[in-house]
Amino acid sequence: QQQVKQSPQSLIVQKGGISIINCAYENTAFDYFPWYQQFPGKGPALLIAIRPDVSEKKEGRFTISFNKSAKQFSLHIMDSQPGDSATYFCAASNTWGYQKVTFGTGTKLQVIP
Amino acid sequence: NAGVTQTPKFQVLKTGQSMTLQCAQDMNHNSMYWYRQDPGMGLRLIYYSASEGTTDKGEVPNGYNVSRLNKREFSLRLESAAPSQTSVYFCASTIGSGYTFGSGTRLTVV
Repeated sequence: QQQVKQSPQSLIVQKGGISIINCAYENTAFDYFPWYQQFPGKGPALLIAIRPDVSEKKEGRFTISFNKSAKQFSLHIMDSQPGDSATYFCAASNTWGYQKVTFGTGTKLQVIP
Repeated sequence: NAGVTQTPKFQVLKTGQSMTLQCAQDMNHNSMYWYRQDPGMGLRLIYYSASEGTTDKGEVPNGYNVSRLNKREFSLRLESAAPSQTSVYFCASTIGSGYTFGSGTRLTVV
């Protein structure tokens, strides 16, 4: 049962361009929405996260946009660089009690020079 | 460096063999998790331990068992490996928000 749908599956962006990855969730009990970045041969690493009380969070070149009514959130990577080439996972969880995270299926981003 | 340590990094098993994947964290996190990662499937939860002394099934628990040995260690056991268990296995831990993942165990069952 897919509770977090992620698109696209793969993405090719030119250096300097904007990379956009979208996710949609179903469970309105989710209250924490992280994005993870994974390089080949490594474990995922927390990149940026947002809670539903704000519509946008920015950290450097990475921005999360959150639309609570549509149950959608997206990751924007501004001025994309070849070093950003990785697989990105969105996720959703509830943080009351103990946390159990549901992940999207991942987006493989390639930034070409 | 503080973090989540997984052993081994690579393993090849024959069908029917058993093995235990080890995971240890030194961040004093309460909750620990085992995920498997397969192409196009994302990360799927196998088992988790909300706190020391408790374990519970995740999305894909069949064919696996776990032990929360103490607060630091959480092991995953395959009793009789099957080719369908060929995957990359990740252990993770958290104290309340984002996860910290280990570097993974790449398991091939032939």
